[in-house]
This record gives sequence, C-alpha cells and structure tokens, in this order.
Amino acid sequence: SQTIHQWPATLVQPVGSPLSLECTVEGTSNPNLYWYRQAAGRGLQLLFYSVGIGQISSEVPQNLSASRPQDRQFILSSKKLLLSDSGFYLCAWTSGGAGVPIYFGEGSWLTVV
Amino acid sequence: AQSVTQLDSQVPVFEEAPVELRCNYSSSVSVYLFWYVQYPNQGLQLLLKYLSGSTLVKGINGFEAEFNKSQTSFHLRKPSVHISDTAEYFCAVRGPGANNLFFGTGTRLTVIP
Repeated sequence: SQTIHQWPATLVQPVGSPLSLECTVEGTSNPNLYWYRQAAGRGLQLLFYSVGIGQISSEVPQNLSASRPQDRQFILSSKKLLLSDSGFYLCAWTSGGAGVPIYFGEGSWLTVV
Repeated sequence: AQSVTQLDSQVPVFEEAPVELRCNYSSSVSVYLFWYVQYPNQGLQLLLKYLSGSTLVKGINGFEAEFNKSQTSFHLRKPSVHISDTAEYFCAVRGPGANNLFFGTGTRLTVIP
C-alpha cells in the first residue's frame, strides 16, 4: 500500500531564517505531488504541484519554492521566512488517474516568530 | 474551471441528532466529487467520493453523500452523529483532465453532548 510521510511535524523558526519541509511517498511511482497551506481557521491553499521530477507548477507567487529532486520526494523551501508564512503545511499525492482522490500526509506546523 | 462552495462555516449539532453539511460546485464539465475530514492537528482523510453511477455514495464512519446534478450539489449526511465526529469537513471537486482538486473553505462540525 501507498504511504506518505512529511517532516518535521512541528517547527518554530525566526523571521528571516530558511525553511525546508520534506515529503516522501512510498509504494507508488511517478505520483503527482502537492504542497498545500492551511492558515489558522481557514481553508486549503494550493502552493505547488508537480507531475514529474524537476517539473514544478506554482499556484501562488510568494517567497516559497518547491523542488522535486527524486520521483517520490517533494521539498518545500524558503530562503527567508516571513511572519505570514506561519501555518499548517500539507503534502499530498495522487496517481493522476481520472477521479483518483488526493491523499494527504500528517502535516507540518510552522510558527514563524 | 471548477469551484466549490460550502455555505456553512460552522455547524453545531447535538449528539445522536442527524446532520447535513452542504456543498455546491460549479463546473461546465462532468466532475468528480469528494468529501474529506480533518481532525485537529492532522492531515485530511478521505471520507467518500463520487465518480459516476449511483448518486448516493456511502463512506466511512457512517457518512453518506448524494450527488444532485440538476442542483450541482453534493451534500454530506449522517443520521446520528457522535462526539468523535467533531472535526473540519472539506468538499472538493476535480475535473476530468485536471491535475488538482479544488477545495471548499470547510465546515466546522461541533457535536454537543
């Protein structure tokens, strides 16, 4: 069966510091991968998605970036965090087939102080 | 393009009472519809999905949803809720050729003892 893991689960970072959140998927190949952000009390915002290695689509212009160095690895980064980057970050995957749901990781809580 | 509207941001209901969480979608093509549940500090978990066929879809934890094409709705129902159903519920839509799911803003279900 397929599983998705992301880490770290929680982190507290000062403003201006870098960020790296990592996500890996097991049990499948060539998945579509996604990064979502969920601000406190709000819905889901799609940040990035990737349909293959090195292929990244950005949905929202901001100081975050994403990379996919391997087929089942997806990384969310920032060079300098802002207070507004605080939130709950969710990695997700799907096989890309018609009607296939997206499956989510456990999430990472980021607090920028 | 597709979009989803969840009209109720919060729904309080007494334990063992029935509940309906409303979801309306907008799309010019046939779509696939999903309901997810998010418990506090966790990722999203798939409750049920509608791809085609019977308009009444049964999911996990006793939830069901009915697809109504004429009203472009996909409301989620449960005949008798439990305290453990307290969570955030998200409706989502995916077009046939889309790489992404489009999520509603969520409905916070609070079950009152």
